[in-house]
Amino acid sequence: NAGVTQTPKFRVLKTGQSMTLLCAQDMNHEYMYWYRQDPGMGLRLIHYSVGEGTTAKGEVPDGYNVSRLKKQNFLLGLESAAPSQTSVYFCASRPRRGGMETQYFGPGTRLLVL
Amino acid sequence: RKEVEQDPGPFNVPEGATVAFNCTYSNSASQSFFWYRQDCRKEPKLLMSVYSSGNEDGRFTAQLNRASQYISLLIRDSKLSDSATYLCVVILLTGGGNKLTFGTGTQLKVEL
Repeated sequence: NAGVTQTPKFRVLKTGQSMTLLCAQDMNHEYMYWYRQDPGMGLRLIHYSVGEGTTAKGEVPDGYNVSRLKKQNFLLGLESAAPSQTSVYFCASRPRRGGMETQYFGPGTRLLVL
Repeated sequence: RKEVEQDPGPFNVPEGATVAFNCTYSNSASQSFFWYRQDCRKEPKLLMSVYSSGNEDGRFTAQLNRASQYISLLIRDSKLSDSATYLCVVILLTGGGNKLTFGTGTQLKVEL
């Protein structure tokens, strides 16, 4: 099993460009999450999904959109990137029957917006 | 006041030393507590849960003090491989589901 994978690992964008980050998991988990991690701040939840076809806003959703068309994939979109979105993005997944602490994290995507 | 606060460090300790980290949380209704480990440029990984009675896993001991609203992590006989950032995580049960809050992390550097 690959666990949780993220694509790409690193990306540089110019302000105003758009991109999609892909998260894939092969553990048949129902719940999936997108976080961002910035210096001096803890991981913050952007959006999450409790199942295929459902998404919900987290703590810092502005400027991002998500989609969960397939159970194994959770996409994070930036429609018009801003320098404030420079961050490390982590995806996570967990089974429905399990506490929040049972999340498995992906390796992260480093995004630089110039 | 931040919901979860940690001393960012770094804590520089010699190999074999004992080191302790604290983490404070602001919401007394918080339900569950954990320590995660994050290596440089890697994802966070669950290290251990924290219980009021205290729990131990090898060289690691975690403790919860609900009255003072802090959790602690003690590492005995530090190894070079313990060098990492340790994240405190607090879970609050809300009407909208569980809210998981990460601390900013405490950096540990174990040196020869």
